[in-house]
Amino acid sequence: GAGVSQSPRYKVAKRGQDVALRCDPISGHVSLFWYQQALGQGPEFLTYFQNEAQLDKSGLPSDRFFAERPEGSVSTLKIQRTQQEDSAVYLCASSLRGGGNTIYFGEGSWLTVV
Amino acid sequence: AQSVTQLGSHVSVSEGALVLLRCNYSSSVPPYLFWYVQYPNQGLQLLLKYTSAATLVKGINGFEAEFKKSETSFHLTKPSAHMSDAAEYFCAVSDRGGATNKLIFGTGTLLAVQP
Repeated sequence: GAGVSQSPRYKVAKRGQDVALRCDPISGHVSLFWYQQALGQGPEFLTYFQNEAQLDKSGLPSDRFFAERPEGSVSTLKIQRTQQEDSAVYLCASSLRGGGNTIYFGEGSWLTVV
Repeated sequence: AQSVTQLGSHVSVSEGALVLLRCNYSSSVPPYLFWYVQYPNQGLQLLLKYTSAATLVKGINGFEAEFKKSETSFHLTKPSAHMSDAAEYFCAVSDRGGATNKLIFGTGTLLAVQP
């Protein structure tokens, strides 16, 4: 597709449930990022992939969060045993490799944990 | 660690008035700097970016920003606000020469445009 595609757009999960959020980056983009944006806040970095390699996962808040990009294209962010504080918008973004390149964002997956 | 500070979480201007959104960065080396806009229920859209020697950067929708190393600032301006400019604006920084080009965002400024 022309842009970064994320699914589902909206997800309501019961506390303790596992969720999986999918990201389809722009074709040919080597770099892929996940961000978490709480209501009224700026996006917070979670993790970074260069192709299939996860080079930076310093922003993942706990070991309940796990991301993968097995074939260097589509990525999945998985949250296990969801808690209310996980409620946020999860943004996926992609870019060509290299500093200064434009990072393109998807519309986000809105997660509400009840 | 790099960071950005956006002064003013809410800014209100009249239609046709000057828009000025402030951003200051903290970095030992001049970084790459970006402004993104976010409309309700949408993702982030790049307005403009500073990556080279040209300190005055022009972006989309009539916005521009000037990189001032002496002030560690990258303020966003638009001469005449339009109703369609009402949105949230984020300043972001990334490390020049870092292992990743991840963005570090400010807390955002919500711009309201009054008729």
